[in-house]
Amino acid sequence: AQSVAQPEDQVNVAEGNPLTVKCTYSVSGNPYLFWYVQYPNRGLQFLLKYITGDNLVKGSYGFEAEFNKSQTSFHLKKPSALVSDSALYFCAVRKTDKLIFGTGTRLQVFP
Amino acid sequence: DGGITQSPKYLFRKEGQNVTLSCEQNLNHDAMYWYRQDPGQGLRLIYYSQIVNDFQKGDIAEGYSVSREKKESFPLTVTSAQKNPTAFYLCASSMRLAGGAGGRNNEQFFGPGTRLTVL
Repeated sequence: AQSVAQPEDQVNVAEGNPLTVKCTYSVSGNPYLFWYVQYPNRGLQFLLKYITGDNLVKGSYGFEAEFNKSQTSFHLKKPSALVSDSALYFCAVRKTDKLIFGTGTRLQVFP
Repeated sequence: DGGITQSPKYLFRKEGQNVTLSCEQNLNHDAMYWYRQDPGQGLRLIYYSQIVNDFQKGDIAEGYSVSREKKESFPLTVTSAQKNPTAFYLCASSMRLAGGAGGRNNEQFFGPGTRLTVL
């Protein structure tokens, strides 16, 4: 069955430091993976996706994600965190014509 | 949130009442989706539609109903049969690939959400 797991409920990082939000997946076949961000009381915004090709995917707002097949991971990264990056982040995997979302990780960036 | 509107932003309902949440998109997307978001549970799929006049149940369809009479519109009705309707409801849409591949590689675009509270 297709699924994703986000092992951390919350990640805290100081502004200017690199950040990582973890996601692992379980799929049969080739994985199609997505990252979304949600600001308070708003809908989700698409950040990036992995379909095929280069394992390092670059997305919006300076975020990138690394697809690692051997570790079945798709961690979201940013070299230098901003306070404005504080939000709820969701990893998702495609399952037929639907997306299956993780439970979300709250990122808190402290000044 | 561009291109997808949801109304109202906040909705209050008395127990036993049906309510309808609106979702409209002007992105010319074929596929539309309804999700429910509860704290600590991520997003759960209620219903989705790949094409006009057709829709499928998601993981938590009980107590909900939808219609897809127009490409642009996918309203969700929360019926009195839904045991715990208080939640944040999100509508989304995506393109379908030519040839009917279902838009599986395409990202979904989300509306701003409707927060439903049952009094």
